[in-house]
Order: sequence, then structure tokens, then C-alpha cells
Amino acid sequence: GDSVTQMEGPVTLSEEAFLTINCTYTATGYPSLFWYVQYPGEGLQLLLKATKADDKGSNKGFEATYRKETTSFHLEKGSVQVSDSAVYFCALSVRYQKVTFGTGTKLQVIP
Amino acid sequence: GAGVSQTPSNKVTEKGKYVELRCDPISGHTALYWYRQSLGQGPEFLIYFQGTGAADDSGLPNDRFFAVRPEGSVSTLKIQRTERGDSAVYLCASSRVGTTDTQYFGPGTRLTVL
Repeated sequence: GDSVTQMEGPVTLSEEAFLTINCTYTATGYPSLFWYVQYPGEGLQLLLKATKADDKGSNKGFEATYRKETTSFHLEKGSVQVSDSAVYFCALSVRYQKVTFGTGTKLQVIP
Repeated sequence: GAGVSQTPSNKVTEKGKYVELRCDPISGHTALYWYRQSLGQGPEFLIYFQGTGAADDSGLPNDRFFAVRPEGSVSTLKIQRTERGDSAVYLCASSRVGTTDTQYFGPGTRLTVL
């Protein structure tokens, strides 16, 4: 079945540090890939997505590139802020039906 | 515009009781999904509706769980004979179908079974 594996947290970074959260997937079919974010006390929000190989999704300074050859979709940001502190979920969906999520990575950014 | 809404936001019940959780999707979204998120985990798929019918209910854990969407808009997730292991946050999402649109999530209902 479909699955997503992402690096375990928590990840603690100083403000302005570089962020990478690794994500790999297995899927039957050709999935679309997503990063969702859950800020403290809030619901899940779509951060970015990519629908085909070599696509780069980007939003709010975050980027992720769909790598079919390595089945990966790593999340990166060049300079994190305290306001980026949240839980980040890598996810996939085949034919826009059910979304399969990873276990989440908690990011804490300290001033 | 209004997002996905879920009621109640919190529900505390006793083991063995029956509960209903409601989801009101974004207007015009024909697809509706239920997920369950346990503490420290990612959401897990329960059921997907396309219009009034359940297109995929493969994630429902057992026959104590049932969901309906009688008019193709609001949906209700029903849990019979609740168990302590049912305690989780139940999330609802909706999307347009037939496009490359994504799923938009509600704030969830936190269910606690004592």
C-alpha cells in the first residue's frame, strides 16, 4: 500500500538557520505530493504541492521538489523564523482521493 | 469564504456510549473525507464521499463506525459503543472533484472516551 516516511523530530533550529525535512514515499500509481503544516492550536493547512516529476512546489519561502528517481519530496527553507514553529506533514494522494500522511515532524525555531 | 467547519470542537463521552460528529464542507465541494489523528501521529483516512455515496470506506476500522451524507453536503460520522481507543481528533476535509484541487481541512473534533 501507499506510505510516507519522514524524518522524526523534534527539530530545533536557531532563527535564520537552514531547514531540511526529509520525506520519502512508496505508492501504487503516480501520486501527487504535498506538505501540510499544523500551527499550534490550528488546523491542517496545505503548505505546498507538486503533481508530477521534477515539479517544484513553493510557498512562504519553503520549497520541495518531486524526485521520482529517489521517491523523495524533501522540504527546505533557507532561513527559518520563529513563526515557522509547527508540525510539518509530508503526504501523498493518488488520483486526488484519500491522502496518506507521514507521522509529522515538529519544528521549533528559537530566537 | 467560509472554510470547513466541524462540530462539536470537543466531545467527552463514556465508554459504551454513542456519538455523532458533524462536518460542514466548503460550499460547492462535492468530495468529503473523514480522517482520524491520534496523538503524535499523522491523520489516517477513514472514508471518502463523492456526493451522497461513500466512494471508499476502506479506512473505517470496524462496524462500530459509520458515516452518512444524505444530501451531498453535511456529513455525520457516527460511532457506536465507543471504546477508549477511539479517543483522537477526527478531521474532515473537502475538495472539488475533477480538478487538481486539494483537500481543505476543518479544525477537527477532539473525542475523548473515558
